[in-house]
Amino acid sequence: EAGVAQSPRYKIIEKRQSVAFWCNPISGHATLYWYQQILGQGPKLLIQFQNNGVVDDSQLPKDRFSAERLKGVDSTLKIQPAKLEDSAVYLCASSLIQTGTDTQYFGPGTRLTVL
Amino acid sequence: AQSVAQPEDQVNVAEGNPLTVKCTYSVSGNPYLFWYVQYPNRGLQFLLKYITGDNLVKGSYGFEAEFNKSQTSFHLKKPSALVSDSALYFCAVRDTTNAGKSTFGDGTTLTVKP
Repeated sequence: EAGVAQSPRYKIIEKRQSVAFWCNPISGHATLYWYQQILGQGPKLLIQFQNNGVVDDSQLPKDRFSAERLKGVDSTLKIQPAKLEDSAVYLCASSLIQTGTDTQYFGPGTRLTVL
Repeated sequence: AQSVAQPEDQVNVAEGNPLTVKCTYSVSGNPYLFWYVQYPNRGLQFLLKYITGDNLVKGSYGFEAEFNKSQTSFHLKKPSALVSDSALYFCAVRDTTNAGKSTFGDGTTLTVKP
């Protein structure tokens, strides 16, 4: 079974530029998550989708971050404009269902460096 | 609001010795608890979870964890550490509502020395 795919793996941009990350979840997984992991910290949930609807985006900085999950499969996360403090690893995860008992499976992440 | 604490940034053990990585949590209601491991430049890999039932949960790679409700703890253990167990370990608690929102600890770096 293929895992969660993410691209690119690494990205370096200047502050105020825009950037987009892509995620392809495990086939059949209805729930998709984007996390931000700053160095030395645990992952922080940015947004959670159930199929193509948003379940939780309470920690998403909506003035600069946006995410979509068209057709309930792939997802993109965009930052525009980027700030220095956005330097982090962005992790995508998926799970079969969205209850708290279900296991999340993580992709390898995209390491973003904002200069 | 739910929270997770991993009180040790770093744990060092000798190969062959038992290891413990500590985790305490705070939630309203019953907790769903998880352990993940992260190797350099890779995403998190699921190790084990506690949902209900037996307080001792067995997981991947010989790891186990003990749920203690009175101490609100969920410590990760392994009877005999391997050098290859060296990695970053995260404890997480999930919301018991339908949304299942996860809150992670800040991680503990485990180093197993030969």
